[in-house]
Amino acid sequence: NAGVTQTPKFQVLKTGQSMTLQCAQDMNHEYMSWYRQDPGMGLRLIHYSVGAGITDQGEVPNGYNVSRSTTEDFPLRLLSAAPSQTSVYFCASISDGTEAFFGQGTRLTVV
Amino acid sequence: AQSVTQPDIHITVSEGASLELRCNYSYGATPYLFWYVQSPGQGLQLLLKYFSGDTLVQGIKGFEAEFKRSQSSFNLRKPSVHWSDAAEYFCAVALTGFQKLVFGTGTRLLVSP
Repeated sequence: NAGVTQTPKFQVLKTGQSMTLQCAQDMNHEYMSWYRQDPGMGLRLIHYSVGAGITDQGEVPNGYNVSRSTTEDFPLRLLSAAPSQTSVYFCASISDGTEAFFGQGTRLTVV
Repeated sequence: AQSVTQPDIHITVSEGASLELRCNYSYGATPYLFWYVQSPGQGLQLLLKYFSGDTLVQGIKGFEAEFKRSQSSFNLRKPSVHWSDAAEYFCAVALTGFQKLVFGTGTRLLVSP
């Protein structure tokens, strides 16, 4: 049972480039979320989804897009990367029992 | 504004000593409360959660937490710390949707020999 798989683990982008952070879960959870973690700020919610085809914004959505075409996948897209988006990104999949299972993170640097 | 406060950025505890990590929340109603642990380079793992009922909840790895409504607190405790407990600990709350967790800024635990 893989749980939550995030790819890539590390990425360096140039300002203005776009990319997609992948997240896949094999637990058949309806709820999934994306967070970013910055030093001294904890984790902040970017976008979330309550099921296939349904997404909504979190606390810090600007500069990011999401879609949820299947239950398993919840990709996060950076449209035009900025240095302020340098962060560690975590995807979470939430069970009916309300426990959030986190991926191992993607460390993104924008230069 | 809704918020979660972890007042201690770093805490150092001797191995074998007891531990208490503080968490305070600011919400109108009683939220759902969680403690997560993050080892270096890893994702977060749930230690325990409180929804209702007994205010003292037991979690994994020997941790427990006590919900105190009057103090809006949910402090994490462990009677005897092991070197492997060195990690960062996050308190989190959810009001309704569990996909929308609000995290504190974290407390980094250092364990000295």
